[in-house]
Amino acid sequence: AQTVTQSQPEMSVQEAETVTLSCTYDTSENNYYLFWYKQPPSRQMILVIRQEAYKQQNATENRFSVNFQKAAKSFSLKISDSQLGDTAMYFCAFMKQPAGGTSYGKLTFGQGTILTVHP
Amino acid sequence: NAGVTQTPKFRVLKTGQSMTLLCAQDMNHEYMYWYRQDPGMGLRLIHYSVGEGTTAKGEVPDGYNVSRLKKQNFLLGLESAAPSQTSVYFCASSSRNYNEQFFGPGTRLTVL
Repeated sequence: AQTVTQSQPEMSVQEAETVTLSCTYDTSENNYYLFWYKQPPSRQMILVIRQEAYKQQNATENRFSVNFQKAAKSFSLKISDSQLGDTAMYFCAFMKQPAGGTSYGKLTFGQGTILTVHP
Repeated sequence: NAGVTQTPKFRVLKTGQSMTLLCAQDMNHEYMYWYRQDPGMGLRLIHYSVGEGTTAKGEVPDGYNVSRLKKQNFLLGLESAAPSQTSVYFCASSSRNYNEQFFGPGTRLTVL
């Protein structure tokens, strides 16, 4: 079974600064996906960024980037130029690559990190 | 497109009452999921469906039943609600390529 651990229950950052959220995972799989989801106070789950394990290049989406260390099973999220709208709970999630047929993509989530951006 | 919608958004039940949560998606996705979110924990999978007429158990299925009679709808039922089922429930859907799930806005359920 896969496990995902986010060791930082809460983080805070000043507006315009950079913050890094940590995530580690445990799996015996070689092919999988990793995700960061954002959950603002509205409760809506929003996909921030995803990484395919077979890709060595770290994924980036505008101000969001990841540091994917496959051997260390680490997947951290860096938010640059933090904005007030980045205030949210952030979840790291793991998905084993389905084998096809009736397989499905089960997401395993970490406990979440509450990020507060201060003006 | 509305994406994934959930009905109702809030509900309060008494212990032993029953209710059904409705999830609908308009993206023609094959796969649908029900999760629950509890404080200090991430989302946990209750049940899922890989197609119309098929359902399967997830990580925490006890006390819940599901049905997928139509491709666009996925129903979650609580036959006899218990206080331990107080939670926020999320529905999600995805296409056959699996690697992105789209979530509904959630339903906050309180069982007294």
